[in-house]
Amino acid sequence: DAGITQSPRHKVTETGTPVTLRCHQTENHRYMYWYRQDPGHGLRLIHYSYGVKDTDKGEVSDGYSVSRSKTEDFLLTLESATSSQTSVYFCAISDPDLAGVNGGELFFGEGSRLTVL
Amino acid sequence: AQSVSQHNHHVILSEAASLELGCNYSYGGTVNLFWYVQYPGQHLQLLLKYFSGDPLVKGIKGFEAEFIKSKFSFNLRKPSVQWSDTAEYFCAVNPYNTDKLIFGTGTRLQVFP
Repeated sequence: DAGITQSPRHKVTETGTPVTLRCHQTENHRYMYWYRQDPGHGLRLIHYSYGVKDTDKGEVSDGYSVSRSKTEDFLLTLESATSSQTSVYFCAISDPDLAGVNGGELFFGEGSRLTVL
Repeated sequence: AQSVSQHNHHVILSEAASLELGCNYSYGGTVNLFWYVQYPGQHLQLLLKYFSGDPLVKGIKGFEAEFIKSKFSFNLRKPSVQWSDTAEYFCAVNPYNTDKLIFGTGTRLQVFP
């Protein structure tokens, strides 16, 4: 068990409302990732973080922002949710780092299912 | 753009049949390669990975994959599938010395008894 907790696990919200998803890790890993999973698209990277206050965009970052004020927490925020953001969101950590000499792998959380009406 | 292609979107097999799922990537440099599995209602778990060395990689639950550099491929195989292999399978590529893991669109495998 990689010690990754996502909250909430399920959320239904309305278009235009803000939503924040939380990812909490107990393993003190540097890298954390947010992916969304959609049928026919697989997993697509939204944002990732390589340390406290260090974040970068993925391939589908529009409409999303992230923050990492502590090593253990990585927050994903939808400022104004849209129906196209209905998805399952997965948080992941890498152990060791993907770019490290030993090669890493991602460990995933249980997912957060978001429905935007 | 770097991409990962999984051409088999949905595969249906009977138990004991052999399995091969295709994966091709478009990145021209050195890559690390992965196969992940997602059982119904669960999160992704690593099946196997390739970093270097023997291009035939063995993973958990009898799965193996072969890296063919000249074909930019990393196909997943299993000689005899079981009903419990019903899941979605994702190929993923990590361009060497980068922080990102790029996933394919996935292949849904259904195995019938």
